[in-house]
Amino acid sequence: GDSVTQMEGPVTLSEEAFLTINCTYTATGYPSLFWYVQYPGEGLQLLLKATKADDKGSNKGFEATYRKETTSFHLEKGSVQVSDSAVYFCALSAVSGNTPLVFGKGTRLSVIA
Amino acid sequence: SAVISQKPSRDICQRGTSLTIQCQVDSQVTMMFWYRQQPGQSLTLIATANQGSEATYESGFVIDKFPISRPNLTFSTLTVSNMSPEDSSIYLCSVRGGFGTDTQYFGPGTRLTVL
Repeated sequence: GDSVTQMEGPVTLSEEAFLTINCTYTATGYPSLFWYVQYPGEGLQLLLKATKADDKGSNKGFEATYRKETTSFHLEKGSVQVSDSAVYFCALSAVSGNTPLVFGKGTRLSVIA
Repeated sequence: SAVISQKPSRDICQRGTSLTIQCQVDSQVTMMFWYRQQPGQSLTLIATANQGSEATYESGFVIDKFPISRPNLTFSTLTVSNMSPEDSSIYLCSVRGGFGTDTQYFGPGTRLTVL
């Protein structure tokens, strides 16, 4: 079945460092891909999405590009802030459409000043 | 996007009691889901709440323990029955936006502690 694998955390970075969180997927067809963020004590928020190969999703300085050839959707940010400390989830939407998103296990990011 | 509210936001309950969590959406949605997130863990799908019919449960979750209602396209409840400390988790309601979209939106969660 469909699955999402993302890098194990926790990830600890200094402020203004470059961030990459790896995400790879296994799916039939061309799923939509998502990154969600969960700040402490809150629910999940959609961060960005991409619906087809070579699409780039972006929001709040974060970017991810849908790479069909490597089945990847890595999250990047050029300069992280303390306020980016959160748990990040990669997810995919199966092509069939009427099923819930498939989530990765999440990666905890801590940014220190 | 959909705006989702959950009640209660948190609760502390005694072993053996039950708690009903409400999820209200500000617009009609096709699909509603309930997730559990244990401390420091990822999301686990409990069930899909079906409007007008019985919920569809994932492996390891049963209706007697987690009865779900969905009387219309904007509202659902999840009951955690006969609670034990192992049920201490965050319970999240999630919806798929209007017809034709594949993005899911999440409520703020209900933080449950069972003593």
